[in-house]
Amino acid sequence: DTEVTQTPKHLVMGMTNKKSLKCEQHMGHRAMYWYKQKAKKPPELMFVYSYEKLSINESVPSRFSPECPNSSLLNLHLHALQPEDSALYLCASSQLGWEGTEAFFGQGTRLTVV
Amino acid sequence: EDKVVQSPLSLVVHEGDTVTLNCSYEVTNFRSLLWYKQEKKAPTFLFMLTSSGIEKKSGRLSSILDKKELFSILNITATQTGDSAVYLCAVHAGNNRKLIWGLGTSLAVNP
Repeated sequence: DTEVTQTPKHLVMGMTNKKSLKCEQHMGHRAMYWYKQKAKKPPELMFVYSYEKLSINESVPSRFSPECPNSSLLNLHLHALQPEDSALYLCASSQLGWEGTEAFFGQGTRLTVV
Repeated sequence: EDKVVQSPLSLVVHEGDTVTLNCSYEVTNFRSLLWYKQEKKAPTFLFMLTSSGIEKKSGRLSSILDKKELFSILNITATQTGDSAVYLCAVHAGNNRKLIWGLGTSLAVNP
């Protein structure tokens, strides 16, 4: 199984809502990532978990809160988002704990903040 | 400042054509260069290059790295409409654990 599964595929939320994005992989990868991607831009790293511990936070606003319950799961909790947070949110995993190796990406969650 | 520049930004070809996509970089402490293909959503890994002059090949796709001239090319031969996508180049550099991404080349293959 070489898939990274993300749910939901689409999400529309108001600025006062609380929602969560979920990501799952069963490849035994020890590193998992959250990226944000705006239209016609490359992915922008948000967080890296390595061996279930947060190893990189790219100065992401606290309205985004990551969580790694176990080695196969990664969540991104969203609260009080702004319209400019609307984007494609991608989860990825890799065998090794840094980005410079082959990463498998999920299909993403298309988030719209209204 | 580290940077990765891809060219062209967009390209339209006919099925059967051969295309060459370019990725040049200026980074401190180069470690590896990666190519991804992004269709509607998920980027898909294509190649990782670390050594100069060694071609990586997968079917109709191939890529090579020139560490002296600081660039890589991605070749696609006998293009098909399914090759239509954005091709992203990213360089892993420095002691920080980050990839520096190019803006991508948008390839459209017309039947």
